Amino acid sequence: GENVEQHPSTLSVQEGDSAVIKCTYSDSASNYFPWYKQELGKRPQLIIDIRSNVGEKKDQRIAVTLNKTAKHFSLHITETQPEDSAVYFCAASRTGFQKLVFGTGTRLLVSP
Amino acid sequence: EAGVVQSPRYKIIEKKQPVAFWCNPISGHNTLYWYLQNLGQGPELLIRYENEEAVDDSQLPKDRFSAERLKGVDSTLKIQPAELGDSAVYLCASSSGGANVLTFGAGSRLTVL
Repeated sequence: GENVEQHPSTLSVQEGDSAVIKCTYSDSASNYFPWYKQELGKRPQLIIDIRSNVGEKKDQRIAVTLNKTAKHFSLHITETQPEDSAVYFCAASRTGFQKLVFGTGTRLLVSP
Repeated sequence: EAGVVQSPRYKIIEKKQPVAFWCNPISGHNTLYWYLQNLGQGPELLIRYENEEAVDDSQLPKDRFSAERLKGVDSTLKIQPAELGDSAVYLCASSSGGANVLTFGAGSRLTVL
């Protein structure tokens, strides 16, 4: 089955810096890669996703890149703000298969 | 839109007691998931329903866990008897149309003493 590894487990940055979180996956048939943000005590919420027919997707300050050959994908947050502080989870699945496998999460702390 | 609704939000029980969690998915979402989230970990799938059929329950510990989704809408996850290691957050999520885009509920936090 699919296995998703995520690094780093914690990441501390200063406000305004960029943050990068990386994930690798094992199932070469996976073609859907979402990222979820989970604030303390709250539900995971989808912030951006990418499908394997594209290599990069951007939405304002966040972007995701995908390298299918290397089986890894990354989340990039630019101009970080304190409200970006949360735990971020990557995940992978096959379209239609619908079983999302999550990484172990990255705790991002943005200091003012 | 109300989103995915779960109850109770918090439950504290003693070990060996039964517990049940309820989930109401987003209207029209035919796929419903129960995920287990241990502290500091990512969600792990317990069971997935397509309408009323459980299509993936390979990760559900069937000796003590059970789930149902009557009429293909609401779902209930039950643990009987609960063990100390069951303390975790139980997340319900739903999606529609094979799009893989999951919407999560707020979760039910279980503490087993």
